[in-house]
Amino acid sequence: SQKIEQNSEALNIQEGKTATLTCNYTNYSPAYLQWYRQDPGRGPVFLLLIRENEKEKRKERLKVTFDTTLKQSLFHITASQPADSATYLCALDMRIDTGRRALTFGSGTRLQVQP
Amino acid sequence: SAVISQKPSRDICQRGTSLTIQCQVDSQVTMMFWYRQQPGQSLTLIATANQGSEATYESGFVIDKFPISRPNLTFSTLTVSNMSPEDSSIYLCSVLGQKETQYFGPGTRLLVL
Repeated sequence: SQKIEQNSEALNIQEGKTATLTCNYTNYSPAYLQWYRQDPGRGPVFLLLIRENEKEKRKERLKVTFDTTLKQSLFHITASQPADSATYLCALDMRIDTGRRALTFGSGTRLQVQP
Repeated sequence: SAVISQKPSRDICQRGTSLTIQCQVDSQVTMMFWYRQQPGQSLTLIATANQGSEATYESGFVIDKFPISRPNLTFSTLTVSNMSPEDSSIYLCSVLGQKETQYFGPGTRLLVL
């Protein structure tokens, strides 16, 4: 079955720098890949979705890339702010594996932006 | 987007008892999901609950332990039966929105003593 690895458990950066988070998967390339943000004590919140035929997607200060050859997605936050501190989760759809339209999640990267 | 509420938000239960978690959505949705998030871990899908059919459970989860109801398109319940301390976790309800995104409830934090 599909395995998802988010390389860093935690990432600390200075305010104003660009944060780059990595998501790698092991098996099939999914039809799409998603990134979510989770704050302590809350459910995940959807940020961006990128499809297998898209190389890059942007939304305000966020940028996601998707490389199906490397089986990797990169998630960038430019001009980071302390309010960006949260756990960021990578998620893939399970349809090829299980036929079910649900998501399988990586373990997340906890981002801390220092003022 | 969908707004999802869950009840209770948290509970402390004794082992051997059962707890039913409610999930209410502010719009009609076809697909609902129940996830579990153990401390410091990511989300694990328990089951998919569609209205009018039996829930579909993922490997490692069984109906006797986690019975699910889906009486209509805006509501679902998950029961955690015969609880043990290993069931201590956050339980999250989720729905499939437009364009393949999922929306999550705030979660129910369960502690089993």
